[in-house]
Order: sequence, then structure tokens, then C-alpha cells
Amino acid sequence: ILNVEQSPQSLHVQEGDSTNFTCSFPSSNFYALHWYRWETAKSPEALFVMTLNGDEKKKGRISATLNTKEGYSYLYIKGSQPEDSATYLCAFEGGADGLTFGKGTHLIIQP
Amino acid sequence: SAVISQKPSRDICQRGTSLTIQCQVDSQVTMMFWYRQQPGQSLTLIATANQGSEATYESGFVIDKFPISRPNLTFSTLTVSNMSPEDSSIYLCSAASRTEAFFGQGTRLTVV
Repeated sequence: ILNVEQSPQSLHVQEGDSTNFTCSFPSSNFYALHWYRWETAKSPEALFVMTLNGDEKKKGRISATLNTKEGYSYLYIKGSQPEDSATYLCAFEGGADGLTFGKGTHLIIQP
Repeated sequence: SAVISQKPSRDICQRGTSLTIQCQVDSQVTMMFWYRQQPGQSLTLIATANQGSEATYESGFVIDKFPISRPNLTFSTLTVSNMSPEDSSIYLCSAASRTEAFFGQGTRLTVV
């Protein structure tokens, strides 16, 4: 069983502040690391697929970095807005075994 | 949190045949989804499985090719019909309650 961990489990952030959270995953057999955003009553929305060590991807105010040698990825949100409130999920893709998901970081932006 | 059992975990099928994938959740959930995921790419949503009625399909996916059933709140099936090599992919079941989303381990399908 692959170990994919996300921390913190939940996070309260003041509107306008920046924040970040972590996904850690096995450093062997790495193929890709995926980030998704999930809101209640909706299907998860893909944010990033990261494949190369040192990769940094950006989508608006959200960015992510990847370190495959030490097995972690950070997701950053700059200038948080209420609409950023969601659960952010990471998924490790290694070898031929498909995706293994973390349990998510539940982010709440407080006005 | 819920546990999703998805099977089979992998299969190799002949073109022209059909495969049914099962997804069982160990607790009642509001929503169930079926995705396709190709290596290195993000999940592509196929459809939302609706309990007791026809699934809601995304653009590019049709019921004749991917019939879905959801007879109750904890169980759903996806059939990949009349398979071709282009259908080779990982198929993933997901379930969501009001507060959490869960994923199966996926079914790796190879069509030869």
C-alpha cells in the first residue's frame, strides 16, 4: 500500500492571506503527481499534473512545486479568496498502479 | 472515511468485447463518479452515476459506449462496450459525501 499524506488536514486562512500545504509521497517509482480541487456536490477539478523534479506550475493565484527526490509537493495559494475554499487533493501516480490519493487538505477562507 | 472497493484491478480484453467494472462503497454517499485517466494525464470525468436513473454524461461520452448503473447509494458499475485499443486506460470510480471525496484504486484496462 502506497503512503500519500497531506498536511495539514484542515486549514483556516484569512481572506487576502497567502497559504500553502504539503503532499508527501514515495520517492521511488515516480511517474507523476496530480493536484485536484474538490468542492462539495461537484466532481474533482484537475489543477496540475507534475512529472519532473523541480517542476513549478502556476494557474492564476495557485502554484505548485515538486521534489521527487525527497517525495513532496507544495501547493501555494496567493491572496486567498472565499472561492478558494475547497478540499485540495493530491494523487501519486507510480509505475503501473494508477493513482493513489491523499486524504486532502480542507481549506476554509474566512472573510 | 469511506473505503471504495473497485474491481477488477486490471484486465486484458479482446477488441469488440465489453468489460464491466464494479465499484462498492462501504458507506452511503451522495454522489458517485466515473473517470478515465491516461498515464501522466489528469482524470477525465466520464459521467456522474445517479441512483435509480440514467447517468449524466460529459461531452464526448455516450451511454451506448459507457453504460452505467447505480441501483443503490453504495454500488455502481461502468461497462466499456465494444472495446478498441483506444479504450486502453485506467478507469477510476470516485464517491463523495457532503464533506469528503474518495477514490478507488482504479482498473487498468488493456485492449488488444
